[in-house]
Amino acid sequence: QVQLVESGGGVVQPGRSLRLSCAASGFTFSIYAMHWVRQAPGKGLEWVALISYDGTNKFYADSVRGRFTISRDNFKNTLYLQMSSLRVEDTAVYYCARWDSSSLKGIDYWGQGTLVTVSS
Amino acid sequence: DIQMTQSPSTLSASVGDRVTITCRASQSISSWLAWYQQRPGKAPKLLIYKASSLESGVPSRFSGSGSGTEFTLTISSLQSDDFATYYCQQYNSYYWTFGQGTKVEIK
Repeated sequence: QVQLVESGGGVVQPGRSLRLSCAASGFTFSIYAMHWVRQAPGKGLEWVALISYDGTNKFYADSVRGRFTISRDNFKNTLYLQMSSLRVEDTAVYYCARWDSSSLKGIDYWGQGTLVTVSS
Repeated sequence: DIQMTQSPSTLSASVGDRVTITCRASQSISSWLAWYQQRPGKAPKLLIYKASSLESGVPSRFSGSGSGTEFTLTISSLQSDDFATYYCQQYNSYYWTFGQGTKVEIK
């Protein structure tokens, strides 16, 4: 069965960096585009970034562009989000999510999320 | 960026009620719209894609309609499992955006 397991969250001071990982299993990771989506405590969903199946195309929300970098390792079946210059407003649960871009369905599988807290 | 606006923000309803949630896009997104359900502490779940296509395994009481800039999600007869928050999301461009959410509460 499809599984997406995020890790790497925690408490970090403003201005510091953190790297999130998402281990994928149960499907052919290398043929799917992947997203990061976040949700601040008590707030709605915010799309963060998208990476194409082969890693050649990357897209970012305005709120994170220039600070966050999405990447993937198709040999390790792992998605990453490198976050730098973190701000208090980046505090959120971060979900990795799979997009079947061939069927253009929207996000059909989500991880359980990992909490990032940015606080001094 | 394309802005998505949902209404209402909160909806109070009873089991058996027909419920409609509206989502408006700031520019035309054709039919590139999805609806998700999120229960507290859980990841979202895909309900509807391409504005009106029902995701496999989703009960038929859920339906979606619309195109261009106006879309609706309808629950024909609300069940206890359906009390949750619902989000629309556009994927007309590679810069995806979500609506702010509609919380469906027990009346």
